[in-house]
Amino acid sequence: GAGVSQTPSNKVTEKGKYVELRCDPISGHTALYWYRQSLGQGPEFLIYFQGTGAADDSGLPNDRFFAVRPEGSVSTLKIQRTERGDSAVYLCASSNPGGEQFFGPGTRLTVL
Amino acid sequence: GIQVEQSPPDLILQEGANSTLRCNFSDSVNNLQWFHQNPWGQLINLFYIPSGTKQNGRLSATTVATERYSLLYISSSQTTDSGVYFCAVLNTGTASKLTFGTGTRLQVTL
Repeated sequence: GAGVSQTPSNKVTEKGKYVELRCDPISGHTALYWYRQSLGQGPEFLIYFQGTGAADDSGLPNDRFFAVRPEGSVSTLKIQRTERGDSAVYLCASSNPGGEQFFGPGTRLTVL
Repeated sequence: GIQVEQSPPDLILQEGANSTLRCNFSDSVNNLQWFHQNPWGQLINLFYIPSGTKQNGRLSATTVATERYSLLYISSSQTTDSGVYFCAVLNTGTASKLTFGTGTRLQVTL
């Protein structure tokens, strides 16, 4: 079956601009996660949704980052006033009822 | 928060060799997953193994939760095994966020 999909695969933007990253989870998965991976590091947790609500947003680095999942399926990660330090690969995952997480291919964000 | 350490950080093998990768964690966990991140960046699920032993082809994994470690065994390595191997844990009592280790970078040569 289809895995987690993310769009765009690459995004280049200028410092100060607004960006939106999209995630389509595996059909039927109610839990959705966003992670961020910097070069040479493991992924780091940003936010977790159970259904439509953010159950844990403790990993969001500051208030420029926001995520929504209005219908309990697709999620959008929004970054305002982007900074060069936001450059990273943003990964989305969803989990089955047993808790195993499956990751998408990621969006590589480059802030110039 | 929970600390997750992986060893070795880097490993170079000749094709056909066997290897063992280790993951140590500092607190009790509800979940442990092993991933292979291929050269294109995709995280591929290898094992979901909070405890016990599992095998899948040339790969097997063992988690001893009471001693806070997990091992990933790769036998008869192939060049397609190259990439970074991550261990990730779900700390007891921290909802569902995975904490990843620092990874083991494996290169398999001909």
